[in-house]
Amino acid sequence: GENVEQHPSTLSVQEGDSAVIKCTYSDSASNYFPWYKQELGKGPQLIIDIRSNVGEKKDQRIAVTLNKTAKHFSLHITETQPEDSAVYFCAASRSFQKLVFGTGTRLLVSP
Amino acid sequence: DTAVSQTPKYLVTQMGNDKSIKCEQNLGHDTMYWYKQDSKKFLKIMFSYNNKELIINETVPNRFSPKSPDKAHLNLHINSLELGDSAVYFCASSPLRAGELFFGEGSRLTVL
Repeated sequence: GENVEQHPSTLSVQEGDSAVIKCTYSDSASNYFPWYKQELGKGPQLIIDIRSNVGEKKDQRIAVTLNKTAKHFSLHITETQPEDSAVYFCAASRSFQKLVFGTGTRLLVSP
Repeated sequence: DTAVSQTPKYLVTQMGNDKSIKCEQNLGHDTMYWYKQDSKKFLKIMFSYNNKELIINETVPNRFSPKSPDKAHLNLHINSLELGDSAVYFCASSPLRAGELFFGEGSRLTVL
């Protein structure tokens, strides 16, 4: 089955810096890669996703890149703000079946 | 108006007891899920239902029994609770054959 590894487990940045979180997946048939943000006491919420026919996708300050050959994908957050502080999860699935999540990255943005 | 709602939000109980968590979604989605998040924040799928039919059943002890009376509701019943069942349980829903999961706020279960 699919296995998703995520690094780093914690990431501390200063406000205004960029943050990068990386994930690798094992199943070459996976074709959908979302990123979720989980704030304290809340459920995870989708922030951006990418499908395997696209190499990069951007939405304002966040972007995701996908390297299918290497089976890894990354989340990039630019101009970080304190409200970006949360736990971020990558995930992978094959045709939207059974989303397998990475282990999470706790991002702390200091003012 | 809450899209995916779970009750109760907190549940503290003794080992060996039986408890239930209820979930309702008002998004009109066809698919509902239960995920378990442990103390290290690992999120793992337990079950998935599509239009009341079980489609994913991970290697979960049979003490856990999901029930979907209709496509808007997915409840989770747990028998003979064990210490290791302590976790946050998330209900989620999604449209059929679409990626985004909409999560509830979670139900924190503590087994003493």
